[in-house]
Amino acid sequence: DSGVTQTPKHLITATGQRVTLRCSPRSGDLSVYWYQQSLDQGLQFLIQYYNGEERAKGNILERFSAQQFPDLHSELNLSSLELGDSALYFCASSAQGINTEAFFGQGTRLTVV
Amino acid sequence: GNSVTQMEGPVTLSEEAFLTINCTYTATGYPSLFWYVQYPGEGLQLLLKATKADDKGSNKGFEATYRKETTSFHLEKGSVQVSDSAVYFCALSPNGDMRFGAGTRLTVKP
Repeated sequence: DSGVTQTPKHLITATGQRVTLRCSPRSGDLSVYWYQQSLDQGLQFLIQYYNGEERAKGNILERFSAQQFPDLHSELNLSSLELGDSALYFCASSAQGINTEAFFGQGTRLTVV
Repeated sequence: GNSVTQMEGPVTLSEEAFLTINCTYTATGYPSLFWYVQYPGEGLQLLLKATKADDKGSNKGFEATYRKETTSFHLEKGSVQVSDSAVYFCALSPNGDMRFGAGTRLTVKP
């Protein structure tokens, strides 16, 4: 158990809909990362938050947004969903520091039909 | 910017073969380097890490040496097993901000 919790584990929704994915980081970790992993594709970095503030942005679509709340949990909002948004979405957290690794949740599998 | 480039897969080997997965990095400063593994149906988990030049990380028979002169962190294993079939990700953390390579899928056949 990595200590990172993602909910829900599975989500099936229709095109055009909006969903929210939730992530609870490890206790004490201030950084939260969101990644998208499509079938047979690598890990695409979406966005990083540190202590409530956006720290880095990757290949995140304008239809997607995220935030980190004062209790450090994070949510990833995906709107106007398209079939191509079907993927595994991972959250990871890390403590700040140069030698710290990231710990991953089990992911949310989103299927858009 | 900070990034890693790893060899593209997929890689298919027979059991007990030698494994090398190449990883090179670009970074300012002196990042920590990591290898993560993702088994089928699971999230990523840390396999090994190295925090400074010439450090060797090792775990479960896998090794990688932090080579500053060649900016590389290649993953090696002397004798792979079927259970090593997974996707392997190289990553760096120059200041606590993790960045990953695209991943290399390894399939080991009996």
